[in-house]
Amino acid sequence: DSGVTQTPKHLITATGQRVTLRCSPRSGDLSVYWYQQSLDQGLQFLIQYYNGEERAKGNILERFSAQQFPDLHSELNLSSLELGDSALYFCASSSRQGGDEQYFGPGTRLTVT
Amino acid sequence: SQQGEEDPQALSIQEGENATMNCSYKTSINNLQWYRQNSGRGLVHLILIRSNEREKHSGRLRVTLDTSKKSSSLLITASRAADTASYFCATDEVWDNDMRFGAGTRLTVKP
Repeated sequence: DSGVTQTPKHLITATGQRVTLRCSPRSGDLSVYWYQQSLDQGLQFLIQYYNGEERAKGNILERFSAQQFPDLHSELNLSSLELGDSALYFCASSSRQGGDEQYFGPGTRLTVT
Repeated sequence: SQQGEEDPQALSIQEGENATMNCSYKTSINNLQWYRQNSGRGLVHLILIRSNEREKHSGRLRVTLDTSKKSSSLLITASRAADTASYFCATDEVWDNDMRFGAGTRLTVKP
């Protein structure tokens, strides 16, 4: 158990809908990262927050947004969902701003029908 | 875009044999990390090697780093069926804030 929790575990929704994925980092970790893993794209870095501020942005679509709250939990919002958004979404946390080992949550499996 | 590229994409060996996976990258790094992922589960950190280190050991794992060739290798000795998983390298780039993961090597260890 990494200490990182993600909810929900599974999510099935229709195209055009909006969903919110939630992540609670390990106790004491200030950085939260979001990743998307699909069969054809591999593990793609989406975005990182450090202590409430956006620190790094990767291949995140404009339809996606995220935030980190004062209690350090984070939410990833996915809107106008398309079939191609079906994937595993992982959250990871680390103690520093970056470059240190990351602890991954169990992931949320999103299926868009 | 991905920084690290693992080689081979897939590897199948017998229990007891050694498994070697390679990772190549393109830019200057602060460190390189190896992670393991069991099917559909979250990644688990295995080992971190800094740019000024050449070799690191952790149990049955041995990682080498050659910054002149921009490559790293992960050796798993005396493999077990439980080592069956995908292995990813990730690089912490000097000029970028995000970690870049490779596409992974799928290792199958047959009992």
